[in-house]
Amino acid sequence: AQKVTQAQTEISVVEKEDVTLDCVYETRDTTYYLFWYKQPPSGELVFLIRRNSFDEQNEISGRYSWNFQKSTSSFNFTITASQVVDSAVYFCALSEAGFGNEKLTFGTGTRLTIIP
Amino acid sequence: DAGVTQSPTHLIKTRGQQVTLRCSPKSGHDTVSWYQQALGQGPQFIFQYYEEEERQRGNFPDRFSGHQFPNYSSELNVNALLLGDSALYLCASSFSDNNEKLFFGSGTQLSVL
Repeated sequence: AQKVTQAQTEISVVEKEDVTLDCVYETRDTTYYLFWYKQPPSGELVFLIRRNSFDEQNEISGRYSWNFQKSTSSFNFTITASQVVDSAVYFCALSEAGFGNEKLTFGTGTRLTIIP
Repeated sequence: DAGVTQSPTHLIKTRGQQVTLRCSPKSGHDTVSWYQQALGQGPQFIFQYYEEEERQRGNFPDRFSGHQFPNYSSELNVNALLLGDSALYLCASSFSDNNEKLFFGSGTQLSVL
């Protein structure tokens, strides 16, 4: 069975600080995908990134970066120079490669509040 | 280009009733998935529809059923509602040939009294 753990329930930081959201996953599959989604107050989840289990390269996209470490089953997300617009709930998710990307197992989310 | 649209946005029902939620996928998408998100929790996969058939199902009872129409829109039906069915129901769409990411609607907030 797959499982995603986001131990940080809520995080608050002052604007312009860096913040890292933790994600630990469990799966018996050798091939899988990892995701991060953002859920603003409007409710819809917004896709941020997908990472294949065979690709352990870190990725940077603007102020966002992701650190994938297969050895510790972690896929952490860092926001650099945080902004008020980053306030949202962030979800880490996992899917089995054979089932496509529609059947996701989500963590319980981390509520991030950026204080102006 | 309209994204994923869901209706209604809010709904109040009583225990034992039946409910139907609707979803129109993003233009060009042919696959629809439904998720249930309880308060303070992550979304849980209910099922996926492609070519008008249920292709995958999560750990939900038969009270939860669905349908996909030829225009790719979809309905989620829940029978014999329980208090525990109160949640945000999210619809997500994708294109079968390029399903790297899901596009989600804003959801239907269902309250069961």
